[in-house]
Amino acid sequence: QSALTQPASVSGSPGQSITISCTGTSSDVGGYNYVSWYQQHPGKAPKLMIYEVSNRPSGVPDRFSGSKSGNTASLTISGLQAEDEADYYCSSYTSSSKVFGGGTKLTVL
Amino acid sequence: EVQLVESGGGLVQPGGSLRLSCAASGFTFSSYEMNWVRQAPGKGLEWVSYISSSGSTIYYADSVKGRFTISRDNAKNSLYLQMNSLRAEDTAVYYCAVGGYYAEFDYWGQGTLVTVSS
Repeated sequence: QSALTQPASVSGSPGQSITISCTGTSSDVGGYNYVSWYQQHPGKAPKLMIYEVSNRPSGVPDRFSGSKSGNTASLTISGLQAEDEADYYCSSYTSSSKVFGGGTKLTVL
Repeated sequence: EVQLVESGGGLVQPGGSLRLSCAASGFTFSSYEMNWVRQAPGKGLEWVSYISSSGSTIYYADSVKGRFTISRDNAKNSLYLQMNSLRAEDTAVYYCAVGGYYAEFDYWGQGTLVTVSS
């Protein structure tokens, strides 16, 4: 149950776009379309932002989008806003368990 | 509105036991699969355990297998995590989360802190 690989940090200016990658293996990210993304502000519980690779739950702005190619999934945030500054985690199903990425700290400059 | 409220966390000595509870409201608890996910201080998220809606199917992360037991009481709209033989590395905020066997974690509680220390 090795963790998925995410960059430790990314940054962008308001209005810009950023992409966070999430790299796994054919046993998790590459093998299933069950990749999800979570946003976590300091001291708060995680919030679901993307499910099944590219679907947005009701209430999540369409500035958030997800995709996958091979063993790597990606979260793109366009039109960055100050409130997007948070930690972001990817997750994937893998053989009777779930695995998370190590998390990426997004800084809005 | 979906609400998940964890309780039962606290300070426990290494080798000790603790039972966490998660009270659910705002949805038909008995129809939903549930999970426990934890987060060590300053660290990332780690899935701990899954239980099906009926309680008949259960999975654990290797790190807790044989020490933790997940259960639920659908009549009481409650999820539990019995934690035995606790270790320092079990120190974390424990969240209960609604989520399917394959699928995402749709809703999360606010978490309860477990500290294992002498």
